[in-house]
Amino acid sequence: AQSVTQLDSHVSVSEGTPVLLRCNYSSSYSPSLFWYVQHPNKGLQLLLKYTSAATLVKGINGFEAEFKKSETSFHLTKPSAHMSDAAEYFCVGGLGGGGNKLTFGTGTQLKVEL
Amino acid sequence: AAGVIQSPRHLIKEKRETATLKCYPIPRHDTVYWYQQGPGQDPQFLISFYEKMQSDKGSIPDRFSAQQFSDYHSELNMSSLELGDSALYFCASSIGTGGRTDTQYFGPGTRLTVL
Repeated sequence: AQSVTQLDSHVSVSEGTPVLLRCNYSSSYSPSLFWYVQHPNKGLQLLLKYTSAATLVKGINGFEAEFKKSETSFHLTKPSAHMSDAAEYFCVGGLGGGGNKLTFGTGTQLKVEL
Repeated sequence: AAGVIQSPRHLIKEKRETATLKCYPIPRHDTVYWYQQGPGQDPQFLISFYEKMQSDKGSIPDRFSAQQFSDYHSELNMSSLELGDSALYFCASSIGTGGRTDTQYFGPGTRLTVL
């Protein structure tokens, strides 16, 4: 089955420390993968996308993600967390099999503490 | 830069009423998508249109219908509203073939509350 799994529903880090948000996918096709961020009562903002070009993708606000086919993973990282990074993060897949819909993971709530 | 516009931003309806949500895509974007995000849930794909034709269909109830107009804006019509329809409805747009590699840019959403 085609799916996106976010391994942590909540992640808490201290400001200035690294962030790791984990995502695995399952697809019979070459997937397109995205990370979106949603601040409270706001829309979804695209952080970065992978579409079979470079496996290390750099996004906005210092975030990056690495596509690892052997591990079917697309983890999101940032070297140093900032208070403004606190939000919900969605790993999203264009998993193929016909159509253009996106499949969302269940989200990871990132908390950044002083 | 211009973004996806959704109107209204908030909507309150009674059960069994109808609602119409509107979406104006980013200029030159030819594909529109609708998603429903229930409380504490991840967004679920409802339906999409490419060049004014339905291109994909997800878990959209039969009570809902949608279309894309000649100016590429889209409307989601919801009838016989139920309490469970209360959610945040996102519209997204993209430019391209309407395929899975297209980047979808999301609007701010319309929060529908059914009483």
